[in-house]
Amino acid sequence: DTGVSQDPRHKITKRGQNVTFRCDPISEHNRLYWYRQTLGQGPEFLTYFQNEAQLEKSRLLSDRFSAERPKGSFSTLEIQRTEQGDSAMYLCASSLAQNNSPLHFGNGTRLTVT
Amino acid sequence: AQTVTQSQPEMSVQEAETVTLSCTYDTSESDYYLFWYKQPPSRQMILVIRQEAYKQQNATENRFSVNFQKAAKSFSLKISDSQLGDAAMYFCAYRGAGNNRKLIWGLGTSLAVNP
Repeated sequence: DTGVSQDPRHKITKRGQNVTFRCDPISEHNRLYWYRQTLGQGPEFLTYFQNEAQLEKSRLLSDRFSAERPKGSFSTLEIQRTEQGDSAMYLCASSLAQNNSPLHFGNGTRLTVT
Repeated sequence: AQTVTQSQPEMSVQEAETVTLSCTYDTSESDYYLFWYKQPPSRQMILVIRQEAYKQQNATENRFSVNFQKAAKSFSLKISDSQLGDAAMYFCAYRGAGNNRKLIWGLGTSLAVNP
């Protein structure tokens, strides 16, 4: 297994456009997380799935953000009508279901909204 | 609500020396897990070390060790024989032991290693 994979690595888009990111977790991991990280800050939780169920979504997340994990494997994160404030690194992580199981992170997708 | 505090935004260490990064947390729970993650510049976040709160013995992974003081709610990371590749942001994180608990992150400490 090659670890958590995220695509694309970089995305530049104009304000108002929609973007979609993909995350492929480690195959045996049933939990999948999305985080947002801005420069010099720690990861900010967005949402997470256990298998195909979305168990929690951050209250900070506006309705423009939506995530899916339809078959309990890969996940997509869509941002509609992007704003300049959405510019950040979007990190995906996966883990086993046990709470002592560490998160394994992907390389992230860097979004720049112009 | 649980919080994690890293009071040192930036630290530096000479190559081959030892450095300690501090982390304190606030919780009313008795069972939880603590983690240190490393994020090198423009590279992915990786786990450095983890500690279960019910274990009294401090976790150790090669040159990395922790000083876990449960009563003081302190979880510091010691890096021995520092190497240039240790330069990174280091994040401390907490997770409760209940079901469906997510990580609570500190703001990170940026570690520079001087040759």
